[in-house]
Amino acid sequence: NAGVMQNPRHLVRRRGQEARLRCSPVKGHSHVYWYRQLPEEGLKFMVYLQKENIIDESGMPKERFSAEFPKEGPSILRIQQVVRGDSAAYFCASSPGDSRNEQFFGPGTRLTVL
Amino acid sequence: AQSVTQLGSHVSVSEGALVLLRCNYSSSVPPYLFWYVQYPNQGLQLLLKYTTGATLVKGINGFEAEFKKSETSFHLTKPSAHMSDAAEYFCAVRGRTALIFGKGTTLSVSS
Repeated sequence: NAGVMQNPRHLVRRRGQEARLRCSPVKGHSHVYWYRQLPEEGLKFMVYLQKENIIDESGMPKERFSAEFPKEGPSILRIQQVVRGDSAAYFCASSPGDSRNEQFFGPGTRLTVL
Repeated sequence: AQSVTQLGSHVSVSEGALVLLRCNYSSSVPPYLFWYVQYPNQGLQLLLKYTTGATLVKGINGFEAEFKKSETSFHLTKPSAHMSDAAEYFCAVRGRTALIFGKGTTLSVSS
C-alpha cells in the first residue's frame, strides 16, 4: 500500500521564481492537509482541501501562496515569487475523512530559496 | 482556541533509561491528542492518540501516554530507551479543521 507521496523531495529556487509542490494522497483518501515546518518550529497548518474544494485556508499567507486538489491528479501547493523566508519543509497529510480521522503524512518537500 | 506546549526542546537519556517527554495542552473542548515521531528527513509517524475512553494510551514501539485532564497534560513515556528512539517528537491537539502541533522535542539516546 502506497502511503502519501510528495515530490520533489528537495527543491531549490532562486528568489522570484515559482515553486510547485505535489502531493499524492493515500489511495481512497479525499482529504488533504498542507503544513509548513520552519527551522526549530513545529508544523503549522496552512490549508485543508477536499477534492476540488478548499475547506480551510486560514493558515495560508494571503499573497503568493495557492493550493488546489483537482478531481484527477495530485494536490498542488504553489508559491509564486519565492522569498528566502519561504525556505522550509512542506508536509502533506491525507485522511479518509475530516480531522476526526487519523492523518497520514508524506515525507515532505524541503524548499530552499537562494 | 487550542494550543500545545512541549516542555524541553532537547531531552537526553542513556540507553535503557526511562523516557519522559512532556506535553501540556489548552483546549476549550474535550481534546483529541496525538504524539507523532519524525526521523531525520522523513515525514511524521503516528505513535499514539487519545480521543475518548481510557486515559492511558498505548502506542507503537513501547511508548505510552496518559491523559490527565486536571493537569491538562499528555506526557509521553517509555520505560527503557533504545538507540533507535532517537528522533524528534511532536505533540498535537486536534483543532477546528487540522492538527495544532507543539514545537517538538528532540530525543537523544546515548550508549
